Amino acid sequence: DTGVTQSPTHLIKTRGQQVTLRCSPISGHKSVSWYQQVLGQGPQFIFQYYEKEERGRGNFPDRFSARQFPNYSSELNVNALLLGDSALYLCASEGDRENEQFFGPGTRLTVL
Amino acid sequence: KQEVTQIPAALSVPEGENLVLNCSFTDSAIYNLQWFRQDPGKGLTSLLLIQSSQREQTSGRLNASLDKSSGRSTLYIAASQPGDSATYLCAVIGSGSSNTGKLIFGQGTTLQVKP
Repeated sequence: DTGVTQSPTHLIKTRGQQVTLRCSPISGHKSVSWYQQVLGQGPQFIFQYYEKEERGRGNFPDRFSARQFPNYSSELNVNALLLGDSALYLCASEGDRENEQFFGPGTRLTVL
Repeated sequence: KQEVTQIPAALSVPEGENLVLNCSFTDSAIYNLQWFRQDPGKGLTSLLLIQSSQREQTSGRLNASLDKSSGRSTLYIAASQPGDSATYLCAVIGSGSSNTGKLIFGQGTTLQVKP
């Protein structure tokens, strides 16, 4: 079975630019969540989507947005990048049983 | 507001030692608790999931316990090996529809097992 996949692996942007990160969940999983992990910290919840509907939102500014497609893949968009947005962005998918979340390898975003 | 704390922040042990990692949370109204492993610069690997109605879960050399009333969980690693070196994170999901799918993480315990 293919696990959660994310692209790209690494990304370098400059302040003010916009970025799009992509995630494909485990086959059969309908829920995708996004997390931001700053170096040395635990991941922070950004969004959860279930069957294309937003089901939860963390304490992040409106510069962060996401969507989920009919095939349950998801995109996270961040506008007007700040230096503080530099982090590892993690995607997790969740099955309908037991709510166990499985994470992808992450996208390392560096904002210069 | 739910807060998750992990102690110690770092731990170094000789190979073969049994060890315990601690996790505490401030709000006992949780839906489940999950332990993860993270290698440097990598994603998270799920180790164990404990539902709120359960007391413990075991997988190989790992055993996780949950005491909701005291807001604590422990991860026990038996006969540690150098390959166990990683950061271990615990996370909870609060009960209630507003918390659906929202994992709240501790800052992690970085474990080094010396050969």
